Amino acid sequence: EAGVTQSPTHLIKTRGQQATLRCSPISGHTSVYWYQQALGLGLQFLLWYDEGEERNRGNFPPRFSGRQFPNYSSELNVNALELEDSALYLCASSFSVRKETQYFGPGTRLLVL
Amino acid sequence: AQSVTQLGSHVSVSEGALVLLRCNYSSSVPPYLFWYVQYPNQGLQLLLKYTSAATLVKGINGFEAEFKKSETSFHLTKPSAHMSDAAEYFCAVSHSGAGSYQLTFGKGTKLSVIP
Repeated sequence: EAGVTQSPTHLIKTRGQQATLRCSPISGHTSVYWYQQALGLGLQFLLWYDEGEERNRGNFPPRFSGRQFPNYSSELNVNALELEDSALYLCASSFSVRKETQYFGPGTRLLVL
Repeated sequence: AQSVTQLGSHVSVSEGALVLLRCNYSSSVPPYLFWYVQYPNQGLQLLLKYTSAATLVKGINGFEAEFKKSETSFHLTKPSAHMSDAAEYFCAVSHSGAGSYQLTFGKGTKLSVIP
């Protein structure tokens, strides 16, 4: 069974640009979570999508946004990139009936220059 | 609000020795508790989880953890360390309060295994 997949694996942008990160959940999973792992800040919750709707968001500015598509894949958009947005962005997915157990993808490493 | 404290940002053990990684949590409602492992330049792999069933939980690769409500702890152990166990380990908590399941992570413990 294929796990959570994320693309691209690496992304280099300059300050002020926009970045788009993509995530495909495990087959049968309907919930997608996004986390940021920045140096010195640890793992922080960004966004939760379930059944196509944004259900919760962490303490991040509105320039972090996303969506979930009908096939449950998801996209994270970061607008007006800042240097401190450089981080590993991790996507996780879970079943609809066991939302508490999340399985992670390999991540997208974003570097903002 | 919930939080996780992992004691020791770096733990070193000899190959074959006991591994003990400490995790204490704070949660106002019954928690779900998890241990994840992260190898260099990779995502997180679920090691084991506690979701209100048995308090002693067995996971993959010979790891286990015990939920102790009175001590608000969920320490991770393995009887005999292997070189391949060298990685960073994260303890995490979540609960279904307000219908939200996002994970709150500890700061991680980097495990080194000395041959």
